[in-house]
Order: sequence, then C-alpha cells, then structure tokens
Amino acid sequence: DQQVKQNSPSLSVQEGRISILNCDYTNSMFDYFLWYKKYPAEGPTFLISISSIKDKNEDGRFTVFLNKSAKHLSLHIVPSQPGDSAVYFCAAGGSQGNLIFGKGTKLSVKP
Amino acid sequence: DAGVIQSPRHEVTEMGQEVTLRCKPISGHNSLFWYRQTMMRGLELLIYFNNNVPIDDSGMPEDRFSAKMPNASFSTLKIQPSEPRDSAVYFCASTPVAGFSYEQYFGPGTRLTVT
Repeated sequence: DQQVKQNSPSLSVQEGRISILNCDYTNSMFDYFLWYKKYPAEGPTFLISISSIKDKNEDGRFTVFLNKSAKHLSLHIVPSQPGDSAVYFCAAGGSQGNLIFGKGTKLSVKP
Repeated sequence: DAGVIQSPRHEVTEMGQEVTLRCKPISGHNSLFWYRQTMMRGLELLIYFNNNVPIDDSGMPEDRFSAKMPNASFSTLKIQPSEPRDSAVYFCASTPVAGFSYEQYFGPGTRLTVT
C-alpha cells in the first residue's frame, strides 16, 4: 500500500505560468516532507522541504504548501521555465531518517 | 566536491549471472541508502545503513539481493542470480547525519538490464 501518492503521472504547463504538483500521504507520523527533481540519466536532486510544524516554505520560484488535516502537500513553481521540465518526486520522512517516495510526476514546460 | 559515485553506470547481463553494483558515498556522510527505480513501482527503498550497520532491509525483494557496507566509504549491492525482472535503475544516496538529516544526496544511478 502506497504511503506517498502522486496521482498525476504527468503535467504540461506553458512557460511563465504556474505549475502545481500534488502529493498525498497516509501516515500522520511523517514529520518532514521533501521534493526532489530528476533529469534523465541523473540521480534525483533535492529541491525544497517542509517540516510538519509549518504549512508553507518558499525558496525563490518554488513554494511548498502542507495541509496536515488533508494529508496533502503541493509544490508551486512560479513562473515556470523550460528548464524546470523534469520528473518531480514527493518524499516523506519517518522517525528513522529514511524517506518514502511517490512515483513521480513528469512536468513539461512548453516555450 | 565529489558527489555520490556509483559504478558501473550501465550493466547488461544475462539471466542467472551475478551482478555487483558499487557505491561510494560522500565523505563524512553516515547514512547510505540503496533504491531501485522502475516505471511500475517508482523509487523504492531497498536497504539503508547507519554508520555502516544495516538498519532496515525490508525493501530487499528476495534472498537473491544482498547489500554490504564494509566501511564508511564503500557499499555494494549484489544480485545473484539475476533475473529479467531485476532490470531497473539502481540509485545509491547518502546523508550527513544518521537519522537526523532527511536531505539525501543521490548518485547518478546504475542502469541494469538483464536479458
């Protein structure tokens, strides 16, 4: 049973517009959430994170929102750029330091 | 600074052969993770080590898979015998502090093809 779910396998957005990637989780014991970005033939790279005690974290064009009551988090990219085209993984951290990843959402930003 | 190093980058082998994947974590990192990525299952944690000790290997698919970390700078993931369904990209990742740092640094992966 998946503990971290990314229900949209792909998303296409026009350059300059907002990209919103969504993630749902089932385990209320997770205390840390992260987003990773992955280009083809490379390993995932850390993008942004949020602690369970916060509901928003912003870093430049990237903002992560956490809704604990709904067990939902989202990543907003504004404005989207063609270089943002990649696969985005949502991950949740447990008490032992391991991460559980979603299956990923492939974002395509069209010029 | 060198990141996580994995070798080989690509491996093609025949069913039944032994496969060994290698990983060198970032110097000073105390936790090491092995993941497998497939289209169907996404990015799955296979096993992770804290201070060279295996903590959780519940993600290892079956007894054909084994992992070792003989010292802080080297780990191996072995598949013996390999099967076509093992074809995937295998990633190694490391973190600076065992159990407290969730930001993991990934290697470039090893693409394994078993024919």
